[in-house]
Amino acid sequence: QVQLVESGGGVVQPGRSLRLSCAASGFTFSSYGMHWVRQAPGKGLEWVAVISHDGSNKYYVDSVKGRFTISRDNSKNTLYLQINSMRPEDTAVYYCVKAGISGDYFDYWGQGTLVTVSP
Amino acid sequence: EIVMTQSPATLSVSPGERATLSCRANQSVRNKLAWYQQRPGQAPRLLIYGASTRATGVPARFSGSGSGTEFTLTISSLQSEDFAIYYCHQYNNWPPVLTFGGGTKVEIK
Repeated sequence: QVQLVESGGGVVQPGRSLRLSCAASGFTFSSYGMHWVRQAPGKGLEWVAVISHDGSNKYYVDSVKGRFTISRDNSKNTLYLQINSMRPEDTAVYYCVKAGISGDYFDYWGQGTLVTVSP
Repeated sequence: EIVMTQSPATLSVSPGERATLSCRANQSVRNKLAWYQQRPGQAPRLLIYGASTRATGVPARFSGSGSGTEFTLTISSLQSEDFAIYYCHQYNNWPPVLTFGGGTKVEIK
């Protein structure tokens, strides 16, 4: 069965950096695009970034461009999100999400990792 | 940016009743529309993709319809486990700038 397990969250001061990881199993990781979606406390869902199956294409929501970098290591079945210059508004649960077979809908989600940006 | 608007924000329904949730896009997204369910403290779960295709394991009481700018999620007979927040999501544009609706909370009446 598909499993996505995020790690790397925690409490970080504004301006600092953090790297989130997502270990994938139960499917052919190198065949699928992968996304990060976040959810601020008590708020709705916000798509953050996508990376193509081979890592050649990456896209971001405008609010994180230049600060976030999505990457993947298909030899390790692992997805990453590097977050730099962290801001309080980056506080959220970050979900690792697998793209569907026929489009960029989200067919499997990890349990999420909480990132809190606080002095 | 494609803006997704869900209505109502909150829907109060009795168990066994029918629930109808709406999602509107400010421009056509063809049939590139998905619905997700999020229970408290859990990650979202895919219910519907392609506007009307149920995901694996989703009960038949969930159905999706619509195309273009107007979409509907219908839950034919609400069960206790269906009280949750539901989000629509468009995935039509390229390069991808994927957007969600604000959510509809289905609560027990």
